[in-house]
Amino acid sequence: GAGVSQTPSNKVTEKGKYVELRCDPISGHTALYWYRQSLGQGPEFLIYFQGTGAADDSGLPNDRFFAVRPEGSVSTLKIQRTERGDSAVYLCASSLRGDTEAFFGQGTRLTVV
Amino acid sequence: AQSVTQLGSHVSVSEGALVLLRCNYSSSVPPYLFWYVQYPNQGLQLLLKYTSAATLVKGINGFEAEFKKSETSFHLTKPSAHMSDAAEYFCAVSGNNQGGKLIFGQGTELSVKP
Repeated sequence: GAGVSQTPSNKVTEKGKYVELRCDPISGHTALYWYRQSLGQGPEFLIYFQGTGAADDSGLPNDRFFAVRPEGSVSTLKIQRTERGDSAVYLCASSLRGDTEAFFGQGTRLTVV
Repeated sequence: AQSVTQLGSHVSVSEGALVLLRCNYSSSVPPYLFWYVQYPNQGLQLLLKYTSAATLVKGINGFEAEFKKSETSFHLTKPSAHMSDAAEYFCAVSGNNQGGKLIFGQGTELSVKP
C-alpha cells in the first residue's frame, strides 16, 4: 500500500539548468496535483490533472514550467532555465477522483544555486 | 475567488493546555474546508475536513474544528496539547466545482512546551 512517491527527495541544480521532478501517485487515483511550497509559506497550487489531461494549469507561474502525465499515472514537472527563485519544495498529491481527499507525497526540495 | 487567512504564524502552548489555531476564509461558493498537519520532513496529512454536513467536525489525534458561516471561520482546537502535536498546521479551502484544487493559508507553527 504505497503512498504518493516523489523523486528525487532533494535536487540541487545550477541557475539556468533544466530539471525534472517525478511523482508516482497512489495506484488507481485519477486526479493528480502539483503544488509549490516556498520557505515559510503554505503550498501554492500549480496544476491539476484529471487522467492524462491538465484540467487546470492556472497556477503555473510562467512558460518555464510544464507538467505532463502521458499515461494517466506518473507525472513529471519540468522546469526550464531554472532561477534561484524557483527554489522551493514541490509537492505532489493524488486523489481517487477530483472531489475526494488528496494524499500528499513528501515533496522534492529543489535548490537552485 | 477563494482565500484563507491564518492568524498567528507561531503559537506556543504548554503541554496539557488548550490548542486554538485560527483560520478565516473567503469564498464566493459554499466552501469545503480542511486542516492539514505537516511534521518536519514529511508530507501533509489531513486532520479533518468540512463538507457541509455537520458544522462541528472531529478529526484525528483529538483535533476538532467548527465551521461558523457568520464569522467565516474554521478554527482548529484540541482540549489538551501533547508534545507530539508540535508541527506546522495549514488551513485550506476549495470550492465544490474546482476539482479538489486547494487554496492554503500560510500556516501556523505550533510549539508545545513541557
